[in-house]
Amino acid sequence: AQTVTQSQPEMSVQEAETVTLSCTYDTSESDYYLFWYKQPPSRQMILVIRQEAYKQQNATENRFSVNFQKAAKSFSLKISDSQLGDAAMYFCAYRSAFGSEKLVFGKGTKLTVNP
Amino acid sequence: KAGVTQTPRYLIKTRGQQVTLSCSPISGHRSVSWYQQTPGQGLQFLFEYFSETQRNKGNFPGRFSGRQFSNSRSEMNVSTLELGDSALYLCASSLRTSGAYEQYFGPGTRLTVT
Repeated sequence: AQTVTQSQPEMSVQEAETVTLSCTYDTSESDYYLFWYKQPPSRQMILVIRQEAYKQQNATENRFSVNFQKAAKSFSLKISDSQLGDAAMYFCAYRSAFGSEKLVFGKGTKLTVNP
Repeated sequence: KAGVTQTPRYLIKTRGQQVTLSCSPISGHRSVSWYQQTPGQGLQFLFEYFSETQRNKGNFPGRFSGRQFSNSRSEMNVSTLELGDSALYLCASSLRTSGAYEQYFGPGTRLTVT
């Protein structure tokens, strides 16, 4: 069974600074997808960024980028120029490429952005 | 386009009762998944439905069941409620295309069991 581990329960960053959230996963599959989801307080979970395991190039979405290290099974999220609106729970998630919708989530990292 | 909607948003039930939660996916989405979110266990997968068929089921007791209708709307039912069933229940829908397609989450139903 696949597992996802987020070792930082809480992180804080100053507004306009950069922060990196860590995620490691364990799988025996060779093809899969990785995601970072954001869950603001009392608001819906939204997708931040996604990565296909077969792609070597790290995904980037505006201020959000990932460092995907397939051999190390590591998938960290970097947020540049942090904004107050980035404050939320961030979840790393794994999905198999073989037909299932099932997302396996990490426990989450609570990000606080200080003005 | 309207997002994923879940009803009711909040629910208080007593131990031993049963409850039904509803999820309406984004128009055109035929795939619906359900998750339970608790502070202790985090986000755990419950079920996955596609075209009225359950494709996958998580490691939950038989008290948890679900179904999907021909219009892709989905319901989940929990019978004989226990205190530990108190959680935020999230529904997600997708187009289920190839690749790293996005799953869109609803706002959740907050269930409190007393």
